[in-house]
Amino acid sequence: GNSVTQMEGPVTLSEEAFLTINCTYTATGYPSLFWYVQYPGEGLQLLLKATKADDKGSNKGFEATYRKETTSFHLEKGSVQVSDSAVYFCALTPNQAGTALIFGKGTTLSVSS
Amino acid sequence: EADIYQTPRYLVIGTGKKITLECSQTMGHDKMYWYQQDPGMELHLIHYSYGVNSTEKGDLSSESTVSRIRTEHFPLTLESARPSHTSQYLCASSKGPHRGPYNEQFFGPGTRLTVL
Repeated sequence: GNSVTQMEGPVTLSEEAFLTINCTYTATGYPSLFWYVQYPGEGLQLLLKATKADDKGSNKGFEATYRKETTSFHLEKGSVQVSDSAVYFCALTPNQAGTALIFGKGTTLSVSS
Repeated sequence: EADIYQTPRYLVIGTGKKITLECSQTMGHDKMYWYQQDPGMELHLIHYSYGVNSTEKGDLSSESTVSRIRTEHFPLTLESARPSHTSQYLCASSKGPHRGPYNEQFFGPGTRLTVL
């Protein structure tokens, strides 16, 4: 079956610290991978994506590389800001027509100044 | 401006009431989804639709029902609300498979439902 496993939170960092949120997946075939972010009181927003092995998705200083050999898609940012405080979801969709997203359980990030 | 809308944003109701959560999108997307998000933040797919007159149940069993009479509209109905239905409900949409190899989903702001 298909599944996503994220590191459990909360993750608490000081401003300008380095961030890593681990994500591994299990999937049949060749999934596309996503990171979504949810700010307090809002819906989910797509942060970045990668559709094939070795692709690197990047946005707003965040990066994640699709690693097929380790079935991972870890999220990283070199210097976090207070405004990055949110819940981060790793997700996949198998490359089959009509398949919905499968989400990890989410990781809460709290950044203090 | 293309977007996805949900109303109401917040709803507090008594047990036994019938409610409908509205979701509309202006992006012309074929696919639409409803997710339930529990207090621990985990998301569960409860309904989805691949087009007009197409609806399917998701991974999480739900007492709610949905309809898809128009492409842009995907309402969710609870015939008799109970405290166990208290949750955040997120609507999403994505393009059909013929328009891309992956299903990037766009989410509405959510409806936070509290049933007393």
